[in-house]
Amino acid sequence: MQLVESGGGLVEPGGSLRLSCAASGFTFSDAWMSWVRQAPGKGLEWVGRVKPKSYGETTDYAAAVNGRFFVSRDDSMNTVFLQMNSLRADDTALYYCATGQMVAAFEHWGQGALVTVSS
Amino acid sequence: QSALTQPPSASGSPGQSVTISCTGTSNDVGVYDYVSWYQQHPGKAPKLMIYEVTKRPSGVPDRFSGSKFGDTASLTVSGLQAEDEADYYCSSYGGSSIFVVFGGGTKLTVL
Repeated sequence: MQLVESGGGLVEPGGSLRLSCAASGFTFSDAWMSWVRQAPGKGLEWVGRVKPKSYGETTDYAAAVNGRFFVSRDDSMNTVFLQMNSLRADDTALYYCATGQMVAAFEHWGQGALVTVSS
Repeated sequence: QSALTQPPSASGSPGQSVTISCTGTSNDVGVYDYVSWYQQHPGKAPKLMIYEVTKRPSGVPDRFSGSKFGDTASLTVSGLQAEDEADYYCSSYGGSSIFVVFGGGTKLTVL
């Protein structure tokens, strides 16, 4: 099983960025996919998730990003996306995509994509 | 929903046991048996060590064990080894919309 994030970079405050996470080695269409971030030198923070199509592809978000970040998926590409809008300096972090078959536990992680919000 | 509370640091000598606590509330740890623990070495992605309070994924040594009492979960590492030195994070299911809340992390030092 492999998860590979891409799309990170430097963006100015107020700007937008879209991260991608390409999955392989498992049945992506059945997977509950989450994004977790880690600010430099800080702890882990769950950001948001998208459920499988069989669960309506519904999404949930942490309060800190609700209304600014959006998670989506394309099962034909085995890819999950994180659209980040109205970015702020405190969104600077390494963003991981993660998944697992256990409830609320992440057995598989990508290597992370670094997002830096700075002018 | 606030983060779960962990001690910032813990330590032990090789061969000893160390226990790391994770305190939540009646909205997460206290009500759901979905507590997980992750190990993170510098520059690496987290690794799942314990899920559903006490279960170990395949490949995780049985030196790692989890427990829960009330609003507090614990991770015990027995027979400490040098490679156990890492940051450890707990997490809990927080309900259908919150989904997951993490602890602030504990840096484990093997003396």
